[in-house]
Amino acid sequence: ILNVEQSPQSLHVQEGDSTNFTCSFPSSNFYALHWYRWETAKSPEALFVMTLNGDEKKKGRISATLNTKEGYSYLYIKGSQPEDSATYLCAFPPLYNQGGKLIFGQGTELSVKP
Amino acid sequence: GAGVSQTPSNKVTEKGKYVELRCDPISGHTALYWYRQSLGQGPEFLIYFQGTGAADDSGLPNDRFFAVRPEGSVSTLKIQRTERGDSAVYLCASSSRAGGGTDTQYFGPGTRLTVL
Repeated sequence: ILNVEQSPQSLHVQEGDSTNFTCSFPSSNFYALHWYRWETAKSPEALFVMTLNGDEKKKGRISATLNTKEGYSYLYIKGSQPEDSATYLCAFPPLYNQGGKLIFGQGTELSVKP
Repeated sequence: GAGVSQTPSNKVTEKGKYVELRCDPISGHTALYWYRQSLGQGPEFLIYFQGTGAADDSGLPNDRFFAVRPEGSVSTLKIQRTERGDSAVYLCASSSRAGGGTDTQYFGPGTRLTVL
């Protein structure tokens, strides 16, 4: 069974705190890992697509790292702001199906208090 | 440019009724996906179109669910004899290439379906 686990399920931080959360995925037959941010009442927004072991990507105050050998990715937010409040989802395409279908984790719900 | 749009944004129906959910992908995107997100879970794959044909419908839960994309752009997800367990947010996404796993999928805002 191909499964993606995210932790923690929810996180409450104060404005200005830095935070991080984890996505665990099957390390065998790795192909790619996607990160999305989904704010309430909006469309899920693509953050990163990561493919290489050791890869690190950055977008503003958000960055992500990838370890394909041990099967995890970390997402970091530096100096959290209330507008960062959202559910952060990771997803990967099963290698056996290269049609692009994504398997998602259950998400980490981040709440940033002013 | 215009993103992925979905209509309606909310749909309330009674158990046993038929519903249609519509998705307008980004113009020119050949791949189109439907996902369903139930409370407390991540989005779950339903079906993927490459052009007009369903390339992978392995996620459709049963034969009450059907989707079409007759002209290779707009897609409609159809649910017959709705059940309370069908209540969820139905998301549509599109991508520009032939559905490769490294391609970004661009999502619409979803249709929230509630079956009473």
